[in-house]
Amino acid sequence: ETGVTQSPTHLIKTRGQQVTLRCSSQSGHNTVSWYQQALGQGPQFIFQYYREEENGRGNFPPRFSGLQFPNYSSELNVNALELDDSALYLCAWGGSGYEQYFGPGTRLTVT
Amino acid sequence: RKEVEQDPGPFNVPEGATVAFNCTYSNSASQSFFWYRQDCRKEPKLLMSVYSSGNEDGRFTAQLNRASQYISLLIRDSKLSDSATYLCVVNQPSGYSTLTFGKGTMLLVSP
Repeated sequence: ETGVTQSPTHLIKTRGQQVTLRCSSQSGHNTVSWYQQALGQGPQFIFQYYREEENGRGNFPPRFSGLQFPNYSSELNVNALELDDSALYLCAWGGSGYEQYFGPGTRLTVT
Repeated sequence: RKEVEQDPGPFNVPEGATVAFNCTYSNSASQSFFWYRQDCRKEPKLLMSVYSSGNEDGRFTAQLNRASQYISLLIRDSKLSDSATYLCVVNQPSGYSTLTFGKGTMLLVSP
């Protein structure tokens, strides 16, 4: 058990809508990363937060945004949903080392 | 060239077989290397880290060749429970710790 939870488990949205995904950790780590995993692909890095500030971002447009809270929780927000946003969204918490602990993911379907 | 490339799968092997996964990475400054395992519709889980000296964990052996930018994973005496997707993962050199995943290679072990 990684002690990382994500909600909701599954979500169906329509194109153009906005979505908020949530993640929390019992690990006490200060760093949280979000990844998008499309079907048949490896996870792709979206961004990372450290002590509530974004400190790294992958090749994703600004309509992907996030927040980190002091209570070891985080949100991923996606505006103006597109069909290609359909994917498994994973959060991962890590400390000063390189190992990251993944949550079970939220499966988002955009129709 | 993709940052992390893996053998395309799937690999279909009988129980007891030895199977090898190969991976190459493009950034010679990469610092840390891992193999993750991902079961169907689940989150990735760390299988093992990979060190230049090579490391072994039971039936699993990982090797790193920095000069060739090549990583391998060997599974001996395959079990049915080894069936999963194996992800080659590289920690990219940057001001923050983020993981770059390969596409993954699926392994199917049959009785």
